[in-house]
Amino acid sequence: SQTIHQWPATLVQPVGSPLSLECTVEGTSNPNLYWYRQAAGRGLQLLFYSVGIGQISSEVPQNLSASRPQDRQFILSSKKLLLSDSGFYLCAWSYGGGADTQYFGPGTRLTVL
Amino acid sequence: AQSVTQLDSQVPVFEEAPVELRCNYSSSVSVYLFWYVQYPNQGLQLLLKYLSGSTLVKGINGFEAEFNKSQTSFHLRKPSVHISDTAEYFCAVSGLTGGGNKLTFGTGTQLKVEL
Repeated sequence: SQTIHQWPATLVQPVGSPLSLECTVEGTSNPNLYWYRQAAGRGLQLLFYSVGIGQISSEVPQNLSASRPQDRQFILSSKKLLLSDSGFYLCAWSYGGGADTQYFGPGTRLTVL
Repeated sequence: AQSVTQLDSQVPVFEEAPVELRCNYSSSVSVYLFWYVQYPNQGLQLLLKYLSGSTLVKGINGFEAEFNKSQTSFHLRKPSVHISDTAEYFCAVSGLTGGGNKLTFGTGTQLKVEL
């Protein structure tokens, strides 16, 4: 069966510090991968998605970036965090596009102080 | 472009009562529709999805939803709720795109089941 992991589970960082959140998927190959951010009362916002190694599409211009160094690894990064980067970050995967279900990880709670 | 509207941010309901969570969408292309549930501090879990065919879709935990193309709606229902159904519910739409599976989510509805 497939599983998706995210770490860390929680993170408190000062403004201006760097960020690295990691997501890995097990039990499947060549999945589509996604990063979402969930802010209170605003639903989920798609930040990045990837259909293959090195292929990253950005949905929202911001100070975040994503990379996919391996088939089942997806990393969300920032060089300098802003207060507005606080939120709950969710990684998800799917087999493909269109009708395929997205399967979500447990999330990372990021607080920027 | 596609969008999803969940008009009710919070829905309080007593245990064993029926509930309906509303979802309306807009899209210029054919869509697939999803309902996800999120328990506190957890990721999202798929409840059900509509792809094609029968407009009444049954999901897990006794939930069902009906796709209404003329009203562009996909409301979620349960005839009798339980305390354990307390969670946030998200409606989402996925259009036919050239790559990936870009889900557009609504802002969510917090369902609070009370004794």
